[in-house]
Amino acid sequence: EVRLVESGGGLVRPGRSLTLSCVTSGFTFSDHDMSWFRQAPGKGLEWVAFISSKTFGEKREYAASVKGRFVISRDNSKGIAYLQMNRLKTDDTATYYCTKPDYYDASRGFWGQGTLLIVSS
Amino acid sequence: DIQMTQSPPTLSASVGDRVTITCRASQSIRDNLAWYQQKPGKVPQLLIFKASNLEYDVPSRFSGSGSGTEFSLSISSLQTDDSATFYCQQYDSFPWTFGQGTKVEIK
Repeated sequence: EVRLVESGGGLVRPGRSLTLSCVTSGFTFSDHDMSWFRQAPGKGLEWVAFISSKTFGEKREYAASVKGRFVISRDNSKGIAYLQMNRLKTDDTATYYCTKPDYYDASRGFWGQGTLLIVSS
Repeated sequence: DIQMTQSPPTLSASVGDRVTITCRASQSIRDNLAWYQQKPGKVPQLLIFKASNLEYDVPSRFSGSGSGTEFSLSISSLQTDDSATFYCQQYDSFPWTFGQGTKVEIK
């Protein structure tokens, strides 16, 4: 059974850094792309970042709103995906979801339950 | 970036009604469009992938159509359990983008 469990959310001051983790199980992690989405309270869904599989060179893509501040990475030996978030803003307040896009169709796959980040002074 | 324009923002209909939500892309996305349903406090659930393919275990009253820039999600006979917010998402090119959402309410 595929499982994605996010952690690392919480309350953080603007301008600070925080790293989210997504611990996975139930599949060969290194063979699969991973992605992060987020949803601000009462707002719509937003894609945040993507990292391709080890096979495809771990290429990274970012939303414009986080590019230059956030870094997506992966530890293939541990089956964990990370989202390092720097220079946090109040607009980054959201529930962050880790996802495992399907190999054949990126919209399919699995979502974690999410972790809430609140950026506030 | 590809802009996704979804309409209407809200929709109120009765049980048994047929409802349709539309999504327009600012440029062609071929058929790389997904529809999600999200209930309050829950993780989004995929309904439709590749514009018209029903995801496993999704009731057959849901259907999707379209290609290029014009897409729609239809519910053939609205049920009380369908009360939720629906989102379209393009995954043809990065950055992946979503429509603003359509909140469906049951009269």
